[in-house]
Amino acid sequence: RKEVEQDPGPFNVPEGATVAFNCTYSNSASQSFFWYRQDCRKEPKLLMSVYSSGNEDGRFTAQLNRASQYISLLIRDSKLSDSATYLCVATGGSQGNLIFGKGTKLSVKP
Amino acid sequence: SQTIHQWPATLVQPVGSPLSLECTVEGTSNPNLYWYRQAAGRGLQLLFYSVGIGQISSEVPQNLSASRPQDRQFILSSKKLLLSDSGFYLCAWRGWGLSYNSPLHFGNGTRLTVT
Repeated sequence: RKEVEQDPGPFNVPEGATVAFNCTYSNSASQSFFWYRQDCRKEPKLLMSVYSSGNEDGRFTAQLNRASQYISLLIRDSKLSDSATYLCVATGGSQGNLIFGKGTKLSVKP
Repeated sequence: SQTIHQWPATLVQPVGSPLSLECTVEGTSNPNLYWYRQAAGRGLQLLFYSVGIGQISSEVPQNLSASRPQDRQFILSSKKLLLSDSGFYLCAWRGWGLSYNSPLHFGNGTRLTVT
């Protein structure tokens, strides 16, 4: 079983749409969770951490369900500049190393 | 503020040649350092991590090795490259003592093509 699994994508949405990404993790001992954004041929960049109570940063909302081992990212009012691959991340292993999902590609069209 | 430098940005090497990629971090002490690889169309794979000078942990058996000769320097090496070593290599750091709750910060990456 893959440690962090994401929707395969790609997601093609019009500007202004709301889009949701889902992710599951297999290690029940995972303590920290993040969403990263990766533009084509660039390094991943931290988008936001995911807290147990859920958290929001502008148009982005992240939620965590520990019982179901499920993480989500909601993007409201999509912009063309949101086009990227979104990586779901959970900690795992003895050193709390970060385990990355393969990512979901988002294309926002005019 | 902390910055991470990784070079070169791109590299084309023949099969059987050696490899040395270098990464340095500024603005922090005793960071945890990481090497990841992202093969075409695949996810990020953790190759090595280091919690201190001379301390290297390998996550997967492979044709590569890593070294940490100084606190803020992390080097990825190979004696003889294979075609399967092609990929996007990313160095990353994480704050010491905050590892379990802190995110990774990546360098710009090195795109390696083995021909």
